[in-house]
Amino acid sequence: KNEVEQSPQNLTAQEGEFITINCSYSVGISALHWLQQHPGGGIVSLFMLSSGKKKHGRLIATINIQEKHSSLHITASHPRDSAVYICAVMGQDDKLIFGTGTRLQVFP
Amino acid sequence: DTGVSQDPRHKITKRGQNVTFRCDPISEHNRLYWYRQTLGQGPEFLTYFQNEAQLEKSRLLSDRFSAERPKGSFSTLEIQRTEQGDSAMYLCASSLDAEGNIQYFGAGTRLSVL
Repeated sequence: KNEVEQSPQNLTAQEGEFITINCSYSVGISALHWLQQHPGGGIVSLFMLSSGKKKHGRLIATINIQEKHSSLHITASHPRDSAVYICAVMGQDDKLIFGTGTRLQVFP
Repeated sequence: DTGVSQDPRHKITKRGQNVTFRCDPISEHNRLYWYRQTLGQGPEFLTYFQNEAQLEKSRLLSDRFSAERPKGSFSTLEIQRTEQGDSAMYLCASSLDAEGNIQYFGAGTRLSVL
């Protein structure tokens, strides 16, 4: 079993839909990252969370430390949101452990 | 553009050849990480540096792999006697302790071993 599990693995949506991607982890962490990876491979850091909730534009990330679970929400989704979204946790040893990613496609 | 640059972006090589990749981190960042990502998978940790010191190496980093960060600035990752299984995206990231270790990723070097 992977230390970081994401669901769903693949997600398709119509433009404007509300999207949720989930991440569960089984190790102790100091922080959790949500990353966005575009087809060319480049990775952009969206959020780093250690508690509660963060919002940036149409993106919202939440984390529940007790339940070892985080969610990434996209409101009013747009085709340019199409990408792979990766959850990564920072272990106590300062190394990132990555989930396998959720491939999102938003159609107009 | 995150400020972390990797060179080359793509490398095609024949099995058995040596390849070297370069990563230039954000200038004031003291930590530099190398990751490998194979198709359909999330990145996997390979190694990281605190300034010029290589602090940890994953068991994924076989003897054919070596990484250096000689002056605590740019880093190189060399793969000797490449194998087809080395084909992957090699990602570099840098961070600054004072920022809670937020890692900024480069665009990666995609290696194809024929």
